[in-house]
Amino acid sequence: DQQVKQNSPSLSVQEGRISILNCDYTNSMFDYFLWYKKYPAEGPTFLISISSIKDKNEDGRFTVFLNKSAKHLSLHIVPSQPGDSAVYFCAASVTNAGGTSYGKLTFGQGTILTVHP
Amino acid sequence: DSGVTQTPKHLITATGQRVTLRCSPRSGDLSVYWYQQSLDQGLQFLIQYYNGEERAKGNILERFSAQQFPDLHSELNLSSLELGDSALYFCASSVYLRDEQYFGPGTRLTVT
Repeated sequence: DQQVKQNSPSLSVQEGRISILNCDYTNSMFDYFLWYKKYPAEGPTFLISISSIKDKNEDGRFTVFLNKSAKHLSLHIVPSQPGDSAVYFCAASVTNAGGTSYGKLTFGQGTILTVHP
Repeated sequence: DSGVTQTPKHLITATGQRVTLRCSPRSGDLSVYWYQQSLDQGLQFLIQYYNGEERAKGNILERFSAQQFPDLHSELNLSSLELGDSALYFCASSVYLRDEQYFGPGTRLTVT
């Protein structure tokens, strides 16, 4: 049962344009969402997160949008750069009422982003 | 560099054997997490420790066990290895009250 889904295995964009990576989830208990980037032969690197009390969070070129009613989140990268080429994973977790993590991150299958010069 | 270290980087062993993977968390992080990434399964959560205590468990096989030591480093023990255990094993760490987990470079286990 895939609770977090990234339906696009790959995405190709031109340098300078916007990259939009999508993620859907099925578990309505998820209330904290994260995006990670992974280069070959390295561990995932944390990019940006969003709590379910927000619908948008920005950090430089990266913006994450959350649509709770649709159980959908997206990562926007603007402008895209060749160095952004990597696998992008979305992940979700459940936090209790006090905001303490239950600890378990559920990951999507990843989307391979290729940014062409 | 995330500050999380894992050893060894690569491990090749035979079926039926036992191996130990080691992880040192970032300085100050009390929580350690183990994940398995295989080709067809993606990143799967195995187990979490906080300050020496097991805190959360995922789909970890009974042949696998882990512990976190007083100096906060963690070990993942895999026994009676099978071909299907071949995977990348990642360790991550975090400050307890935050979900931003920082991942190590992984250990690639090959079971022949």
